[in-house]
Amino acid sequence: ELKVEQNPLFLSMQEGKNYTIYCNYSTTSDRLYWYRQDPGKSLESLFVLLSNGAVKQEGRLMASLDTKARLSTLHITAAVHDLSATYFCAVDRLGGQNFVFGPGTRLSVLP
Amino acid sequence: DGGITQSPKYLFRKEGQNVTLSCEQNLNHDAMYWYRQDPGQGLRLIYYSQIVNDFQKGDIAEGYSVSREKKESFPLTVTSAQKNPTAFYLCASSMREFNNEQFFGPGTRLTVL
Repeated sequence: ELKVEQNPLFLSMQEGKNYTIYCNYSTTSDRLYWYRQDPGKSLESLFVLLSNGAVKQEGRLMASLDTKARLSTLHITAAVHDLSATYFCAVDRLGGQNFVFGPGTRLSVLP
Repeated sequence: DGGITQSPKYLFRKEGQNVTLSCEQNLNHDAMYWYRQDPGQGLRLIYYSQIVNDFQKGDIAEGYSVSREKKESFPLTVTSAQKNPTAFYLCASSMREFNNEQFFGPGTRLTVL
């Protein structure tokens, strides 16, 4: 059974600092997705990682995937308040039928 | 504009009632999904459908039912058998032949009175 974990679950950081959110999963998969959720809102797609070694960057966020370690990272560079949200990773079940989501990392960027 | 719509945005249900949540997409996606999110929690898969007239149970299907009569539509019925239905319900769709990225609707917040 595929299980997806994230850490930390809660993260409070100062503006301008760097930090990394980790997503690890328990069984083989080569597709991983990152989403952002603002309070009371739906999910917004951030990154799609489709192979080992994939790296995607958008603004202050960079995501990477290591399928051999079953690990993805979401790196935040020089955080700003607008990045405050909950970030979810999701892993494609083998066969691509559906996702398993991680529990989410609630990020709060303080001035 | 292509996208996914869900209605209603807020829904109140009395105990013992069935209610149906609407999900429509005009993205020409084959696959559609229903998730439940409880406060402060992640998403849990209720049902999914990869083609018209076919659907599969997800991880928490008990007390829910779905239909997929049209490619664009995937309604979810929350039945009286669902003992704790108060939650945020999210519908998503994807193009499996491409990269299977799921796109989400705005959600329906269901409250049982």
